[in-house]
Amino acid sequence: SAVISQKPSRDICQRGTSLTIQCQVDSQVTMMFWYRQQPGQSLTLIATANQGSEATYESGFVIDKFPISRPNLTFSTLTVSNMSPEDSSIYLCSAAAEKLFFGSGTQLSVL
Amino acid sequence: SQQGEEDPQALSIQEGENATMNCSYKTSINNLQWYRQNSGRGLVHLILIRSNEREKHSGRLRVTLDTSKKSSSLLITASRAADTASYFCATADDKIIFGKGTRLHILP
Repeated sequence: SAVISQKPSRDICQRGTSLTIQCQVDSQVTMMFWYRQQPGQSLTLIATANQGSEATYESGFVIDKFPISRPNLTFSTLTVSNMSPEDSSIYLCSAAAEKLFFGSGTQLSVL
Repeated sequence: SQQGEEDPQALSIQEGENATMNCSYKTSINNLQWYRQNSGRGLVHLILIRSNEREKHSGRLRVTLDTSKKSSSLLITASRAADTASYFCATADDKIIFGKGTRLHILP
């Protein structure tokens, strides 16, 4: 199993600003993912964070809006750039060792 | 994009009854997984079934997989109040994609 620490746990941000969410895994994992979950909805995959190369984004998500870093096998960041109220959501980091382990999530509210 | 589609979207049953949730998907998979999410954010992995398996058990959980029909079912036997949660299937190949989920409510 893997333990994932994600921070911040919540934040309230102004429109037009950016927020970087950090995700730390207690062991080396091959795959890390970032998901978004809006209230009452399922998880939507934003991107796969690749170590040593650019993240792989899903349809509807672009690097300029959601830049992702993964400098090593235990750490990744997701930045939500130039935020608008539509970005208000829970953002979840996960690590895969066949099954997924999740961080506790970041609840983002954009005013 | 989402691949799995759960059915029903919501389910209310009496405590002690069995709950069955279904999941359909569209493309080939390496495995299919079921997760539970209680109110709030915690997602818990319940069970994984590989594409070459047809049935798997874990405690009160029973999962079936029919790759010819691209469908899976999750059965929770002898339901308890603590089983009240949202349940998601997730299909895995090079990434893990979640279905829309079933909201299960166990009535006392």
